[in-house]
Amino acid sequence: EAQVTQNPRYLITVTGKKLTVTCSQNMNHEYMSWYRQDPGLGLRQIYYSMNVEVTDKGDVPEGYKVSRKEKRNFPLILESPSPNQTSLYFCASSLPWEGRVDTQYFGPGTRLTVL
Amino acid sequence: LAKTTQPISMDSYEGQEVNITCSHNNIATNDYITWYQQFPSQGPRFIIQGYKTKVTNEVASLFIPADRKSSTLSLPRVSLSDTAVYYCLVGDDTGGFKTIFGAGTRLFVKA
Repeated sequence: EAQVTQNPRYLITVTGKKLTVTCSQNMNHEYMSWYRQDPGLGLRQIYYSMNVEVTDKGDVPEGYKVSRKEKRNFPLILESPSPNQTSLYFCASSLPWEGRVDTQYFGPGTRLTVL
Repeated sequence: LAKTTQPISMDSYEGQEVNITCSHNNIATNDYITWYQQFPSQGPRFIIQGYKTKVTNEVASLFIPADRKSSTLSLPRVSLSDTAVYYCLVGDDTGGFKTIFGAGTRLFVKA
């Protein structure tokens, strides 16, 4: 089954404790992206990657890191989480077409709480 | 970056047709218009995509006028399960690959 998976689905942590949220897709998509969703602020893009070793900032990259060492995986790293990073996180992937981002397939989400 | 404007919310009753219009005045010449549906605590799900005129699939229709500055998502005969937030997206008109979700339209279907 074609899908985007995220782990963990739920995470409660404390300020400053490094964490990684994994994202994997099995559709051989070149484009992958991370979003956060907060009440009243909608979905905001954190980082995206056009291909292996190619990443770029979205609208809210501060406090996050990403890496794209393999095509199928795009982990989101919070080196020193803070309470304002408490949010619902979504990973997505897409197969770029004609130089643009095509339909994106989203993972189930990771609900992160930073105390 | 191309921006979109949609109504914040809409109410409807079961069995009615719902039309949600999105304004995208600065859409790039080669860009498509994509609509997503999102239920609470779930990731957005693709509904329909189009470039011009009309596109129809098994769940919705998309109407795009000749100037492409707006588009209308049409949901025929909605049911309670269509209660969700609907987003219209266009691409990054700066030539990049960012994705910007607008505020979306919260559709509430009543019995």
